[in-house]
This record gives sequence, structure tokens and C-alpha cells, in this order.
Amino acid sequence: EAGVAQSPRYKIIEKRQSVAFWCNPISGHATLYWYQQILGQGPKLLIQFQNNGVVDDSQLPKDRFSAERLKGVDSTLKIQPAKLEDSAVYLCASSPGTGFLANYGYTFGSGTRLTVV
Amino acid sequence: ILNVEQSPQSLHVQEGDSTNFTCSFPSSNFYALHWYRWETAKSPEALFVMTLNGDEKKKGRISATLNTKEGYSYLYIKGSQPEDSATYLCASLGQGAQKLVFGQGTRLTINP
Repeated sequence: EAGVAQSPRYKIIEKRQSVAFWCNPISGHATLYWYQQILGQGPKLLIQFQNNGVVDDSQLPKDRFSAERLKGVDSTLKIQPAKLEDSAVYLCASSPGTGFLANYGYTFGSGTRLTVV
Repeated sequence: ILNVEQSPQSLHVQEGDSTNFTCSFPSSNFYALHWYRWETAKSPEALFVMTLNGDEKKKGRISATLNTKEGYSYLYIKGSQPEDSATYLCASLGQGAQKLVFGQGTRLTINP
């Protein structure tokens, strides 16, 4: 089974520029998560999709971050404009559905390391 | 939002030694506890999913215990090897919740 694909692996941008990250989850996984992991902190959920609908985006800074999951498959996370404090690893994860989390863990992608200078 | 804490934040262990670290989580409204291993430049990998008080899981030299009444879990590594060097994340799932809340991780370095 193919894993969760993320791209790019690394990105360096200047503040106020825009950047986009892409994620393709495990085939058939209904739930897709984007987490932000700042150095020294635990991963923080930015947005959760169930198929193509948003379940939770309460911690997404909506003035600069946006995400979509058209057709309920792959997803794009965008930052516009970027700030220095957005430097982090952005992790995408998927699961068959939230009801499976009592038995199965997330499947993560390898993450995108963003540096804003 | 649940508050999940891990300690220590970092740990250096000599190859061959055994080690353990802690994850604490709110015991009320508990549903499941996850452990992940995250090696540098790789994807975090699920190690264990635990739900029952007193549960113990084992995978090779790594094992974990769970105390849901007092809200903690221990991860043990027996006979550490260099390939055990990684960040170990725990995450808690509350009743009715649909997402995991992660601790800040324990960064383990095995010295040869």
C-alpha cells in the first residue's frame, strides 16, 4: 500500500511570500489532517477534513492560511503571506475514519519543512 | 483542548542501556492513547494504540503501559540501539473527539 505523499520536502521563502503544500493520502482514507509542528513543540492540528468537508479548522489562522480537499482525495495547504513564525514542519496524516482511531494510528506523510527568512 | 505532556524533552542514553519516558494526559473523558516514533527525515510511525486501563503493549524491545485512572503512559526501550534514536510522540484521543492531541515529544539519542 502506498503511503501518504507530501511535497515539497523542503521550502525556503522570504516573509510575505506565498507557499503551498500538497498531500495525497492513503487511497480510501476518508479523514485527512494537517498538523503544524514548530521546533520544540508538539504537532498542532490546523485543519481536519472528512471526505471533502471541513470538520475542524478552529486553530487555522484563517487570515493567512487556507486549505482545500477538492473531490475528497488530495489536499492543498496554502500560506499567504508567510510570517517568520510560520517556520515549522507541516505534516499531513490520514486515517480510514475517526471511528478507527481507537484501534489504528494515523498514517503520516514525511512532512514539509518550511523556513521563512 | 486536552493538555498532553511528555517528559523528559530530551534524553541521551548509552547503547545497550534501557530507558523509559512518560506521557501524561487528562484522565477524564479518556478514549485512546497513541505512541509514535519519528526518525529524522522520515514519517512518524505508529507504535501503539492503547485504550484499556492496565494495558501493556510490546513490539520487539519496545513496550508501553497505560494507566487511565491517573492519566499516564510509560514507554520502555530495552537494550537501546542506535536505530532507536528518534523523537517519540504520544497523543491522546478524548471521548467523542475526532482528532489526536499530541505532546511535545521526547527526543531520544543513543550514544554508541
